[in-house]
Amino acid sequence: NAGVTQTPKFRILKIGQSMTLQCTQDMNHNYMYWYRQDPGMGLKLIYYSVGAGITDKGEVPNGYNVSRSTTEDFPLRLELAAPSQTSVYFCASSLQGAETQYFGPGTRLLVL
Amino acid sequence: DAKTTQPNSMESNEEEPVHLPCNHSTISGTDYIHWYRQLPSQGPEYVIHGLTSNVNNRMASLAIAEDRKSSTLILHRATLRDAAVYYCILRTGVRAGGTSYGKLTFGQGTILTVHP
Repeated sequence: NAGVTQTPKFRILKIGQSMTLQCTQDMNHNYMYWYRQDPGMGLKLIYYSVGAGITDKGEVPNGYNVSRSTTEDFPLRLELAAPSQTSVYFCASSLQGAETQYFGPGTRLLVL
Repeated sequence: DAKTTQPNSMESNEEEPVHLPCNHSTISGTDYIHWYRQLPSQGPEYVIHGLTSNVNNRMASLAIAEDRKSSTLILHRATLRDAAVYYCILRTGVRAGGTSYGKLTFGQGTILTVHP
Protein backbone atom coordinates (compact mmCIF):
# COMPACT_ATOMS: atom_id res chain seq x y z
CA ASN A 1 0.00 0.00 0.00
CA ALA A 2 1.22 3.48 -0.86
CA GLY A 3 -0.91 5.02 1.89
CA VAL A 4 -1.64 8.71 1.33
CA THR A 5 0.08 10.32 -1.64
CA GLN A 6 0.18 14.01 -2.52
CA THR A 7 1.22 15.88 -5.63
CA PRO A 8 3.04 18.10 -6.33
CA LYS A 9 5.74 18.12 -3.66
CA PHE A 10 6.55 21.79 -4.22
CA ARG A 11 5.00 24.60 -6.22
CA ILE A 12 5.54 28.32 -6.69
CA LEU A 13 2.46 30.36 -7.64
CA LYS A 14 2.02 33.98 -8.58
CA ILE A 15 -0.64 36.03 -6.80
CA GLY A 16 -4.03 35.44 -8.41
CA GLN A 17 -3.14 32.12 -10.03
CA SER A 18 -5.09 28.98 -9.29
CA MET A 19 -4.05 25.40 -8.72
CA THR A 20 -5.24 22.05 -7.43
CA LEU A 21 -3.39 20.03 -4.83
CA GLN A 22 -3.96 16.34 -5.37
CA CYS A 23 -4.46 13.75 -2.62
CA THR A 24 -5.07 10.03 -3.05
CA GLN A 25 -5.35 7.22 -0.54
CA ASP A 26 -5.43 3.49 -1.25
CA MET A 27 -6.59 2.29 2.18
CA ASN A 28 -10.33 2.53 1.41
CA HIS A 29 -10.72 5.10 4.17
CA ASN A 30 -14.01 6.94 4.47
CA TYR A 31 -12.67 10.12 6.06
CA MET A 32 -10.23 12.51 4.45
CA TYR A 33 -8.80 15.81 5.65
CA TRP A 34 -6.80 18.79 4.45
CA TYR A 35 -4.55 20.67 6.88
CA ARG A 36 -2.15 23.55 6.47
CA GLN A 37 0.95 24.15 8.54
CA ASP A 38 2.57 27.56 8.73
CA PRO A 39 6.25 27.83 9.80
CA GLY A 40 6.79 26.90 13.44
CA MET A 41 3.10 26.23 14.02
CA GLY A 42 0.85 23.25 14.43
CA LEU A 43 -1.57 22.04 11.76
CA LYS A 44 -4.91 23.70 11.10
CA LEU A 45 -7.86 21.92 9.49
CA ILE A 46 -9.06 23.43 6.20
CA TYR A 47 -11.73 20.98 4.97
CA TYR A 48 -12.74 17.43 5.65
CA SER A 49 -14.90 14.75 4.06
CA VAL A 50 -16.77 11.86 5.67
CA GLY A 51 -17.34 10.02 2.41
CA ALA A 52 -17.74 10.42 -1.33
CA GLY A 53 -19.96 13.39 -2.11
CA ILE A 54 -19.83 14.82 1.43
CA THR A 55 -17.51 17.65 2.46
CA ASP A 56 -17.52 20.28 5.19
CA LYS A 57 -15.47 23.23 6.40
CA GLY A 58 -12.79 23.07 9.04
CA GLU A 59 -11.15 25.95 10.93
CA VAL A 60 -9.63 27.88 8.01
CA PRO A 61 -11.64 27.22 4.80
CA ASN A 62 -11.55 30.70 3.25
CA GLY A 63 -9.80 30.78 -0.13
CA TYR A 64 -10.09 27.02 -0.69
CA ASN A 65 -12.54 24.55 -2.21
CA VAL A 66 -12.71 20.77 -2.17
CA SER A 67 -14.61 17.96 -3.83
CA ARG A 68 -14.89 14.24 -3.14
CA SER A 69 -16.20 12.38 -6.16
CA THR A 70 -14.51 9.08 -5.24
CA THR A 71 -13.45 7.40 -2.00
CA GLU A 72 -9.79 7.57 -3.05
CA ASP A 73 -9.37 11.20 -4.12
CA PHE A 74 -9.77 14.48 -2.25
CA PRO A 75 -8.36 17.41 -4.24
CA LEU A 76 -7.93 20.88 -2.73
CA ARG A 77 -8.46 23.87 -5.02
CA LEU A 78 -6.98 27.34 -4.60
CA GLU A 79 -8.83 29.74 -6.90
CA LEU A 80 -7.01 33.06 -6.39
CA ALA A 81 -3.68 32.46 -4.70
CA ALA A 82 -2.62 34.98 -2.05
CA PRO A 83 0.69 35.31 -0.13
CA SER A 84 -1.18 34.29 3.05
CA GLN A 85 -1.65 30.85 1.50
CA THR A 86 2.08 30.19 1.52
CA SER A 87 2.27 27.09 3.68
CA VAL A 88 2.79 23.35 3.76
CA TYR A 89 -0.38 21.41 3.00
CA PHE A 90 -1.01 17.95 4.40
CA CYS A 91 -3.70 15.54 3.38
CA ALA A 92 -4.79 12.80 5.80
CA SER A 93 -7.26 9.96 5.92
CA SER A 94 -8.85 7.71 8.50
CA LEU A 95 -11.15 4.69 8.35
CA GLN A 96 -13.72 6.36 10.55
CA GLY A 97 -13.82 9.71 12.32
CA ALA A 98 -12.47 8.45 15.63
CA GLU A 99 -9.70 6.34 14.11
CA THR A 100 -6.01 7.11 13.63
CA GLN A 101 -5.28 9.61 10.89
CA TYR A 102 -2.62 8.77 8.30
CA PHE A 103 -0.85 11.71 6.72
CA GLY A 104 0.70 12.27 3.33
CA PRO A 105 4.19 13.75 2.84
CA GLY A 106 2.89 17.25 2.20
CA THR A 107 2.92 19.87 -0.55
CA ARG A 108 5.01 22.98 -0.02
CA LEU A 109 3.37 26.01 -1.64
CA LEU A 110 4.97 29.40 -2.09
CA VAL A 111 2.83 32.30 -3.35
CA LEU A 112 4.77 35.32 -4.59
CA ASP B 1 -11.98 22.57 22.32
CA ALA B 2 -10.06 21.49 25.39
CA LYS B 3 -6.46 22.71 25.20
CA THR B 4 -3.16 21.05 25.94
CA THR B 5 0.05 22.59 27.26
CA GLN B 6 3.48 21.17 26.42
CA PRO B 7 7.03 22.43 26.93
CA ASN B 8 8.43 24.10 23.82
CA SER B 9 11.51 21.89 23.71
CA MET B 10 13.32 19.04 25.45
CA GLU B 11 16.66 17.35 25.01
CA SER B 12 17.82 13.81 25.57
CA ASN B 13 20.82 11.61 24.99
CA GLU B 14 20.68 8.60 22.75
CA GLU B 15 19.57 5.34 24.44
CA GLU B 16 18.23 7.18 27.49
CA PRO B 17 14.54 7.30 28.41
CA VAL B 18 12.56 10.42 27.56
CA HIS B 19 9.46 11.64 29.39
CA LEU B 20 7.40 14.17 27.45
CA PRO B 21 4.76 15.87 29.63
CA CYS B 22 1.39 17.26 28.63
CA ASN B 23 -1.15 19.17 30.71
CA HIS B 24 -4.83 19.08 29.80
CA SER B 25 -6.69 20.38 32.84
CA THR B 26 -9.97 21.04 30.95
CA ILE B 27 -10.23 17.54 29.48
CA SER B 28 -13.76 16.15 29.29
CA GLY B 29 -14.78 12.65 30.27
CA THR B 30 -15.04 11.42 26.69
CA ASP B 31 -11.82 12.96 25.32
CA TYR B 32 -9.11 10.55 24.27
CA ILE B 33 -5.48 11.63 24.65
CA HIS B 34 -3.58 11.18 21.39
CA TRP B 35 0.09 11.64 20.61
CA TYR B 36 1.42 12.26 17.14
CA ARG B 37 4.94 13.13 16.09
CA GLN B 38 6.31 14.93 13.08
CA LEU B 39 9.79 14.15 11.82
CA PRO B 40 11.59 16.89 9.87
CA SER B 41 10.01 17.55 6.46
CA GLN B 42 7.39 14.83 6.92
CA GLY B 43 3.73 14.61 7.76
CA PRO B 44 2.64 13.77 11.30
CA GLU B 45 2.48 10.12 12.33
CA TYR B 46 0.43 8.47 15.04
CA VAL B 47 2.31 7.36 18.16
CA ILE B 48 -0.18 6.25 20.80
CA HIS B 49 -3.49 7.10 22.44
CA GLY B 50 -5.41 6.34 25.62
CA LEU B 51 -8.46 7.23 27.68
CA THR B 52 -7.86 6.40 31.34
CA SER B 53 -5.43 3.51 31.68
CA ASN B 54 -1.73 3.49 30.84
CA VAL B 55 -1.00 2.18 27.36
CA ASN B 56 2.00 0.53 25.73
CA ASN B 57 2.86 -0.16 22.12
CA ARG B 58 6.00 -0.85 20.13
CA MET B 59 6.81 2.85 19.82
CA ALA B 60 6.14 4.24 23.27
CA SER B 61 4.18 4.16 26.53
CA LEU B 62 1.52 6.58 27.67
CA ALA B 63 1.07 7.29 31.36
CA ILE B 64 -2.19 9.05 32.26
CA ALA B 65 -2.70 10.74 35.63
CA GLU B 66 -5.53 9.43 37.77
CA ASP B 67 -7.46 12.71 37.42
CA ARG B 68 -6.68 12.73 33.66
CA LYS B 69 -5.49 16.33 33.84
CA SER B 70 -2.03 15.40 32.64
CA SER B 71 -0.22 12.66 30.77
CA THR B 72 3.32 11.66 29.87
CA LEU B 73 4.64 10.10 26.70
CA ILE B 74 7.55 7.81 27.47
CA LEU B 75 10.17 6.79 24.92
CA HIS B 76 12.05 4.02 26.66
CA ARG B 77 15.32 4.33 24.73
CA ALA B 78 15.62 7.40 22.57
CA THR B 79 17.31 7.06 19.21
CA LEU B 80 18.40 9.74 16.77
CA ARG B 81 15.36 8.82 14.66
CA ASP B 82 13.11 9.94 17.52
CA ALA B 83 14.13 13.58 17.05
CA ALA B 84 10.84 15.22 16.09
CA VAL B 85 8.05 17.52 17.19
CA TYR B 86 5.68 15.65 19.51
CA TYR B 87 2.05 16.75 19.67
CA CYS B 88 -0.30 15.94 22.53
CA ILE B 89 -3.87 16.18 21.25
CA LEU B 90 -7.28 15.74 22.82
CA ARG B 91 -9.47 13.92 20.38
CA THR B 92 -12.69 15.89 20.00
CA GLY B 93 -15.50 13.94 18.44
CA VAL B 94 -17.72 16.54 16.81
CA ARG B 95 -20.94 15.46 15.26
CA ALA B 96 -21.65 16.97 11.86
CA GLY B 97 -24.94 15.83 10.42
CA GLY B 98 -24.95 12.88 12.80
CA THR B 99 -21.44 11.75 11.93
CA SER B 100 -18.38 12.19 14.11
CA TYR B 101 -15.37 13.42 12.20
CA GLY B 102 -12.92 13.26 15.09
CA LYS B 103 -11.22 16.61 14.67
CA LEU B 104 -7.53 16.79 15.62
CA THR B 105 -6.45 20.15 17.06
CA PHE B 106 -2.68 20.58 16.86
CA GLY B 107 -0.81 22.94 19.18
CA GLN B 108 2.84 23.86 18.74
CA GLY B 109 4.11 20.64 20.30
CA THR B 110 7.43 19.81 21.94
CA ILE B 111 10.61 19.82 19.88
CA LEU B 112 12.66 16.81 21.00
CA THR B 113 16.39 16.93 20.32
CA VAL B 114 18.35 13.68 20.75
CA HIS B 115 22.11 13.93 21.21
CA PRO B 116 24.44 11.11 20.10
